[in-house]
Amino acid sequence: AQRVTQPEKLLSVFKGAPVELKCNYSYSGSPELFWYVQYSRQRLQLLLRHISRESIKGFTADLNKGETSFHLKKPFAQEEDSAMYYCALIHGGATNKLIFGTGTLLAVQP
Amino acid sequence: KAGVTQTPRYLIKTRGQQVTLSCSPISGHRSVSWYQQTPGQGLQFLFEYFSETQRNKGNFPGRFSGRQFSNSRSEMNVSTLELGDSALYLCASSPGQVREKLFFGSGTQLSVL
Repeated sequence: AQRVTQPEKLLSVFKGAPVELKCNYSYSGSPELFWYVQYSRQRLQLLLRHISRESIKGFTADLNKGETSFHLKKPFAQEEDSAMYYCALIHGGATNKLIFGTGTLLAVQP
Repeated sequence: KAGVTQTPRYLIKTRGQQVTLSCSPISGHRSVSWYQQTPGQGLQFLFEYFSETQRNKGNFPGRFSGRQFSNSRSEMNVSTLELGDSALYLCASSPGQVREKLFFGSGTQLSVL
């Protein structure tokens, strides 16, 4: 079955420290992976997707098919990065159905 | 452009009642999806509609149903409410192709007493 695992419920770092939010997936086909973010009192929104291979707000994520991972990284955390981060997988086929991980709360301390 | 609009923002119901939630997608978007968010289960997919047709359905009991109208607005209905249905229900829209970015609404917080 398709599954997304985010092992950390909470990740606390200091401002300026590197950040890595872990995401592992199980999927038999060719996956399409996303990171969605929810800032305090804001809507859930797309941060980035693997096919775009872009950097948003300093964050990057590389799809590693061998390790079935899609970890989110940022070299220097900012306080405004504090938010809930969800890794998600498109189920596949003719759909936009997302399978979400349980989310990781990133807290960036001053 | 206005974002995805969900009404009402909050609902309180009692067990056994039914409830209808509404979602207006971004103008021009033809696909609408619904998700249930709870502290215990996280975000779980309910349904996806495209051009008034259900394109995909999650693993929820038949008490959960939905529909989409010709103007792309969508409703979901939950009948015979149970305490476990208490959750934040999120609606998301997209232009209509598959494997797209989703735009989420603020959600309807349903409390079942």
